[in-house]
Amino acid sequence: DVKVTQSSRYLVKRTGEKVFLECVQDMDHENMFWYRQDPGLGLRLIYFSYDVKMKEKGDIPEGYSVSREKKERFSLILESASTNQTSMYLCASSVEGATDTQYFGPGTRLTVL
Amino acid sequence: DAKTTQPPSMDCAEGRAANLPCNHSTISGNEYVYWYRQIHSQGPQYIIHGLKNNETNEMASLIITEDRKSSTLILPHATLRDTAVYYCIVKLQGSARQLTFGSGTQLTVLP
Repeated sequence: DVKVTQSSRYLVKRTGEKVFLECVQDMDHENMFWYRQDPGLGLRLIYFSYDVKMKEKGDIPEGYSVSREKKERFSLILESASTNQTSMYLCASSVEGATDTQYFGPGTRLTVL
Repeated sequence: DAKTTQPPSMDCAEGRAANLPCNHSTISGNEYVYWYRQIHSQGPQYIIHGLKNNETNEMASLIITEDRKSSTLILPHATLRDTAVYYCIVKLQGSARQLTFGSGTQLTVLP
């Protein structure tokens, strides 16, 4: 079974803090994704990585950065958290060439006060 | 990607088959049908996909009509843990990196 894990299920941070969300997958997948999910807005792609040190912006990259130093790990960084970044953050992975079958982690519910 | 239409909600008795329909009348010849589900407060879970033939895996079966304008996801023996929102997506393979879910069907499995 593909396993995608995220560092925290729930996180509470203050405005202006730097926030790190970690994601690890154990299936040697080339592709990794970070989404946020908000009621009424569905899934929105923040960043995508197709290889180590390679990344592409998704639909809503502003206020976020990512890091992929190892194949199995993809980190999402909120440089200076703001209240409008309160959301459910979902990490996913997929094999190369199969972006339509993505395997998701359990999600991190981030609250920024 | 073709538009899909799903009923907003369905109930199913535990142990019975759950049949979740999806209409995709504008599907093109090389678009696939994908099914995902999302249990409350968890990440989405890939279930199954197909092009034109019926497909089965350990989780579910996917029946696609001959004209490909609709499909049905079948959970053969629904359990309480199958209560979730089920999403039907139609898309070309690799056409977009991000998955876009519609409003889906809230399936409630009743004891």
